[in-house]
Amino acid sequence: NAGVMQNPRHLVRRRGQEARLRCSPMKGHSHVYWYRQLPEEGLKFMVYLQKENIIDESGMPKERFSAEFPKEGPSILRIQQVVRGDSAAYFCASSQLRGNEQFFGPGTRLTVL
Amino acid sequence: GESVGLHLPTLSVQEGDNSIINCAYSNSASDYFIWYKQESGKGPQFIIDIRSNMDKRQGQRVTVLLNKTVKHLSLQIAATQPGDSAVYFCAETGGEYGNKLVFGAGTILRVKS
Repeated sequence: NAGVMQNPRHLVRRRGQEARLRCSPMKGHSHVYWYRQLPEEGLKFMVYLQKENIIDESGMPKERFSAEFPKEGPSILRIQQVVRGDSAAYFCASSQLRGNEQFFGPGTRLTVL
Repeated sequence: GESVGLHLPTLSVQEGDNSIINCAYSNSASDYFIWYKQESGKGPQFIIDIRSNMDKRQGQRVTVLLNKTVKHLSLQIAATQPGDSAVYFCAETGGEYGNKLVFGAGTILRVKS
């Protein structure tokens, strides 16, 4: 039973480009969460999605950031016109039920030059 | 509120000794707490959880204690091993339906052989 998959593991973008981060939840999990982690800090919640629905995006910046979890395929976190401050590790987690244990993927490390 | 720190506290222990990692949480309404272990370059890994109707829960070599009066959580690791070296985060549930995790700042555990 594969765990949460994220790709790419490392992503380098220049300022102004777009970054697309993908997350495939564990089999049987329909709840996906995205978190951001800056060096030497804890993870910060960004957005919570169920299939085809955004449930809670209270932690996501209003501009440039968007997330989706389509009926088929992985969840996508999209960052448009990246800036240096977007450099961080982005983690995806999934759970079987809302409020249950969240299992984390290995993360995508985004570097903006 | 959420914890933000430039320098994580560090706990250094001798191999074989017991370790105690402490955490203060912020939301008195939280009813679910989790300890995660994060190794360098990896995503957080679930260690143990506890619900607010309990004050102690034991796992294999780990024990979590919850003191709701002072909003304090601790993780005890028995007979600490070099493989336990990592950053440890406590997390509490937040959001309208407990859908997001609010992470503490983290503690670095270093095990000396």
